[in-house]
Amino acid sequence: DTEVTQTPKHLVMGMTNKKSLKCEQHMGHRAMYWYKQKAKKPPELMFVYSYEKLSINESVPSRFSPECPNSSLLNLHLHALQPEDSALYLCASSKLPVSLGGISYTFGSGTRLTVV
Amino acid sequence: KQEVTQIPAALSVPEGENLVLNCSFTDSAIYNLQWFRQDPGKGLTSLLLIQSSQREQTSGRLNASLDKSSGRSTLYIAASQPGDSATYLCAVSDAGGTSYGKLTFGQGTILTVHP
Repeated sequence: DTEVTQTPKHLVMGMTNKKSLKCEQHMGHRAMYWYKQKAKKPPELMFVYSYEKLSINESVPSRFSPECPNSSLLNLHLHALQPEDSALYLCASSKLPVSLGGISYTFGSGTRLTVV
Repeated sequence: KQEVTQIPAALSVPEGENLVLNCSFTDSAIYNLQWFRQDPGKGLTSLLLIQSSQREQTSGRLNASLDKSSGRSTLYIAASQPGDSATYLCAVSDAGGTSYGKLTFGQGTILTVHP
């Protein structure tokens, strides 16, 4: 299994809703990442988990709450989002340590989120 | 702070042409450089990974080179096809003092290949 699987593929939610995005990989990767991508822009890093611990939070608003229950699963809990949070949310994973070199990042197909 | 720049921003060519996409980065202390392809509204597909100690990698009609000292990489696509139409993203991973690295992306090159 060489894939990162993200669900759902599409999500429409109201500004008062609570929803969650899910990401799963079975490649034994111990680093997992959330990226946000707006239209016609490159992906921007939101969070990094290494060995199931939050290692980077790129000053993301608290209405986004990540969770890494185990080494294969990464969630992103959403609450009280704004319309400007509408974007493609990408999950990625990699082996550790990246400093070994030759470590590739594998991305999922993303969740297209629309906040209404 | 690492900055990655891709030139050109967009490229439109007839089928069969050989083409070159350029990527430059400001901090040469990188672990890897990775080229991705992204189709509209889809996720990222990895094309080629070049370790910092390597000069180039090849996969089929694709060849990527890396000149770490000058902070440059090129992606060469031979005999382009309409199916190559997509956005091509260059990304570098560097330490920032961590084991996991941070992946920084360029703005991408939008490639259109006409039949």
